Amino acid sequence: GENVEQHPSTLSVQEGDSAVIKCTYSDSASNYFPWYKQELGKGPQLIIDIRSNVGEKKDQRIAVTLNKTAKHFSLHITETQPEDSAVYFCAAPNQAGTALIFGKGTTLSVSS
Amino acid sequence: DSGVTQTPKHLITATGQRVTLRCSPRSGDLSVYWYQQSLDQGLQFLIQYYNGEERAKGNILERFSAQQFPDLHSELNLSSLELGDSALYFCASSVEGDINYGYTFGSGTRLTVV
Repeated sequence: GENVEQHPSTLSVQEGDSAVIKCTYSDSASNYFPWYKQELGKGPQLIIDIRSNVGEKKDQRIAVTLNKTAKHFSLHITETQPEDSAVYFCAAPNQAGTALIFGKGTTLSVSS
Repeated sequence: DSGVTQTPKHLITATGQRVTLRCSPRSGDLSVYWYQQSLDQGLQFLIQYYNGEERAKGNILERFSAQQFPDLHSELNLSSLELGDSALYFCASSVEGDINYGYTFGSGTRLTVV
């Protein structure tokens, strides 16, 4: 945590394509990495998370992978649909472990 | 409905004024977190309360303060408002203040300072 970099800032895909968003973190002690989806006019919603004892976690069309050595984790969305269009945020704990630090967000647009 | 209630949804006020934002956490959650979301800074952690006590501080300005009441609702007070304070303010809650299970966010209060 403490510093979380997220790329890309915007991502446009065609319906049915895959989308990948990547984040890097600076604190090697971090052990929890959630992803949030924020739709227009709403608060961020937790969609998937991963802990440092696993390298990958899947939930239907979404998956998260974690590389602790390289200190990066990624969100993968397969078979994208228009309703996947939103802003996605990655996060990691701050150094004190008291709060989540968020990346700057990725605006995903899925066109049909 | 996430279970976290924030009021008001929108607030327009003038520079120099003071406002209070209110948050009721999800039933059973003891911890409340406040975040500020602006276009250029993203989601910035402001402050955390756990069961009525301040537990952690982030990038919270001295003009801002918060508290959590015995019924666990929380208020964020913003004073001497400046144009740059215009932003979305989110409250989130978690069960035991353990961030390793994620947060539940409210729908936010949009503050516009004119």
